[in-house]
Amino acid sequence: SQQGEEDPQALSIQEGENATMNCSYKTSINNLQWYRQNSGRGLVHLILIRSNEREKHSGRLRVTLDTSKKSSSLLITASRAADTASYFCATAFGWGKFQFGAGTQVVVTP
Amino acid sequence: GAVVSQHPSRVICKSGTSVKIECRSLDFQATTMFWYRQFPKKSLMLMATSNEGSKATYEQGVEKDKFLINHASLTLSTLTVTSAHPEDSSFYICSARVGTGDFKREKLFFGSGTQLSVL
Repeated sequence: SQQGEEDPQALSIQEGENATMNCSYKTSINNLQWYRQNSGRGLVHLILIRSNEREKHSGRLRVTLDTSKKSSSLLITASRAADTASYFCATAFGWGKFQFGAGTQVVVTP
Repeated sequence: GAVVSQHPSRVICKSGTSVKIECRSLDFQATTMFWYRQFPKKSLMLMATSNEGSKATYEQGVEKDKFLINHASLTLSTLTVTSAHPEDSSFYICSARVGTGDFKREKLFFGSGTQLSVL
């Protein structure tokens, strides 16, 4: 199965700053997705980027994908305290079956 | 977006008892649901794929007799942790895929999770 590994494991920033986290994977993919999890809650889908796309935006989120390096990055611009959460990348290895990375825990302080 | 409801959100039980967790798709039909387990500050581990009207498919290393999955209808899947022990304590999350017919656009909708604590 594929492995999505995020780095850093934890990130602490102040409101207004940008947060960048990276994800690496091992095998070829059809798409890569990013999810967010608030403490003790389920995951919420943030953004999907297809293998033939290099960059995608959604509000304050920007995702890049480099299939040659098997890596993706998630950038959150102008972060807010409400962005405090864990962020996971996920790659599919079957219909609906996803492999999640270890996650990046982001803390945004006011 | 699609809504997945999971209950209970938290359960505390004695060792040896069984616990049932429900996962419902509220505004769509989910022919396939997935059950994940998550340890504190760790990633999600896929336990099994729950298919409506058929047996669940378990991932390697997951005890099917310990974690019973039933998907009796298009909107409900249940996970029963049988004879629970303290090592079964964990955060369990269900999810459902909304089929688009396009593998490249599949994404998951998650329940809010169940924190199981076995004493």
